[in-house]
Amino acid sequence: QVQLQQSGPGLVRPSQTLSLTCAISGDSVSSKSATWDWIRQSPSRGLEWLGRTYYRSKWSSDYAVSVKSRITINADTSKNQFSLQLDSVTPEDTAVYYCARDPRYSSGWSFDHWGQGILVTVSS
Amino acid sequence: QTVVTQEPSLTVSPGGTVTLTCASSTGAVTSDSYPNWFQQKPGQAPTALIYSTSNKHSWTPARFSGSLLGGKAALTVSGVQPEDEAEYYCLLYYGGAQGGVFGGGTKLTVL
Repeated sequence: QVQLQQSGPGLVRPSQTLSLTCAISGDSVSSKSATWDWIRQSPSRGLEWLGRTYYRSKWSSDYAVSVKSRITINADTSKNQFSLQLDSVTPEDTAVYYCARDPRYSSGWSFDHWGQGILVTVSS
Repeated sequence: QTVVTQEPSLTVSPGGTVTLTCASSTGAVTSDSYPNWFQQKPGQAPTALIYSTSNKHSWTPARFSGSLLGGKAALTVSGVQPEDEAEYYCLLYYGGAQGGVFGGGTKLTVL
């Protein structure tokens, strides 16, 4: 039974860095088949994929064009978790942030397990 | 900017059948878009229902099915239950730098 447990602050000041962590149980962040993704949801932007990290023969990350200059997603194998950092946030980054697993059943995407979500508000 | 369009809202009676659709601004949706469907209830994370057009997860109730219909991805719920009242989102895969795009969601009311 795969479970994803998110943690991190619910309030971030403008221009600061948003940092969230997703702890994995029931699978390994070093899985050679899955990817570990971050997705956010807001009333104005809907559901928006942000990026992912994955291990094949080495660690790789892919990012959405909309946040590519500000985002970093890393894995911590010692804690079996992965993290999201989003720099220079503005109120437009206010959203519920989810982590999710893509088991890579096919060449397309599928997110079969999701974290519980954390509402992050960007405000002074 | 690719847009994925869903019906904003649909209403169905308990026991009835309803079909939700998912269209792409780039043209007809095909199996190469690997359509996914998710259900989201208020205050909860999305739950995966369908992947790669018509494949169900182990937890997906049998009354949910996915298909391609008239150039769109479709989610059909047969024998609707009151607990099926929720928001439903589709996800289409475009590959390359665009990756995947979610639809705006359909609010399904069971009345």
